[in-house]
Amino acid sequence: DQQVKQNSPSLSVQEGRISILNCDYTNSMFDYFLWYKKYPAEGPTFLISISSIKDKNEDGRFTVFLNKSAKHLSLHIVPSQPGDSAVYFCAASYISNFGNEKLTFGTGTRLTIIP
Amino acid sequence: SQTIHQWPATLVQPVGSPLSLECTVEGTSNPNLYWYRQAAGRGLQLLFYSVGIGQISSEVPQNLSASRPQDRQFILSSKKLLLSDSGFYLCAWSAIHWEDIGSKLFFGSGTQLSVL
Repeated sequence: DQQVKQNSPSLSVQEGRISILNCDYTNSMFDYFLWYKKYPAEGPTFLISISSIKDKNEDGRFTVFLNKSAKHLSLHIVPSQPGDSAVYFCAASYISNFGNEKLTFGTGTRLTIIP
Repeated sequence: SQTIHQWPATLVQPVGSPLSLECTVEGTSNPNLYWYRQAAGRGLQLLFYSVGIGQISSEVPQNLSASRPQDRQFILSSKKLLLSDSGFYLCAWSAIHWEDIGSKLFFGSGTQLSVL
């Protein structure tokens, strides 16, 4: 049961344009959402997050939007740069019975920025 | 600052051989520790997590096991590897922040395991 879905396995965008990566979730218990960026043969690195009490969070070129009613979030990168080429994972979190955050990851979207 | 070390970076093992991957965290106490696997063409799958020494929770039934002999050490093991165990294994940690429910996971650099 894939609770976090990234339906686009790949996306190509021209340098300087906007990249929009989408993510859908099914579990209404999720209360925090994160985006991770991963280069080949490296571990994912945290990019940006958003709490369920917000609908937008912005950090430089990166903005995450959350639509709770639609159970949908998106990551906007503008302007896109060649260094943004990577796999982007959406993740959703909630507090487990043990008190730790349990993150559920999507399958990732490979973003390629075309110079 | 906190750092996470994971080794080896790559590993080629024959089917039926044992496995031991080690992960250590520095600069923090009582971290939550995780083992993830990214199989080819798939997302990050949580295999095990630990909230303390000797406390291991398994997320999926499998051929692997995990142990936490020390507060900041997490080990992934197998007695006999299967072909399906091939993948990219990631260790991660997070801090316990009761007030901040959005604690982030910090990942190690990963181990590419090929079972032949």
